[in-house]
Amino acid sequence: KQEVTQIPAALSVPEGENLVLNCSFTDSAIYNLQWFRQDPGKGLTSLLLIQSSQREQTSGRLNASLDKSSGRSTLYIAASQPGDSATYLCAVIPVETSGSRLTFGEGTQLTVNP
Amino acid sequence: DTEVTQTPKHLVMGMTNKKSLKCEQHMGHRAMYWYKQKAKKPPELMFVYSYEKLSINESVPSRFSPECPNSSLLNLHLHALQPEDSALYLCASSQPLDRRHTGELFFGEGSRLTVL
Repeated sequence: KQEVTQIPAALSVPEGENLVLNCSFTDSAIYNLQWFRQDPGKGLTSLLLIQSSQREQTSGRLNASLDKSSGRSTLYIAASQPGDSATYLCAVIPVETSGSRLTFGEGTQLTVNP
Repeated sequence: DTEVTQTPKHLVMGMTNKKSLKCEQHMGHRAMYWYKQKAKKPPELMFVYSYEKLSINESVPSRFSPECPNSSLLNLHLHALQPEDSALYLCASSQPLDRRHTGELFFGEGSRLTVL
């Protein structure tokens, strides 16, 4: 059974700092990996999707990498801002699934202090 | 347009009530999902519809009844719920997972359900 772990569970940083969020998964047979952002009481916003054949994806100040063989992904946030404060979730889709049955990590709660 | 719209945003119901949650997307996606999310936990998959047919039911109690009237709409009918069913219910959509599509999921804002 696929398990996804996110470290740290919570992170508090001053504004302007570069930071890295970590995601690890136990089964490397994945179809893709997706990073989401969730604000309190809101839905999930897709940030980046990395297909299994890719090594990284970039969008603005965000960069996500994927090392499938070691079962790891990182989300790098450059020059953090208070508006980046949210919970960040990573999710993987196993190759064997018949549908997009994402397995989520528990999330990292990020606070960026002005 | 990358929007998934859910109504209502908030719903309070008694244990004997019958209510429905609605979800709509106009991205041409042929897979739609219901997730349940409790506070400070990740979303848990409930149902998946692929090409308007139920493809995954994660052993959800029968008091939750999904319906997919067409490729753009997804409903979740609620009846005789329990207080522990109070949660944020999230709808999502994607293209079905195949060689042509990445399976990227797009979520709605959710319906906050409180069962008294």
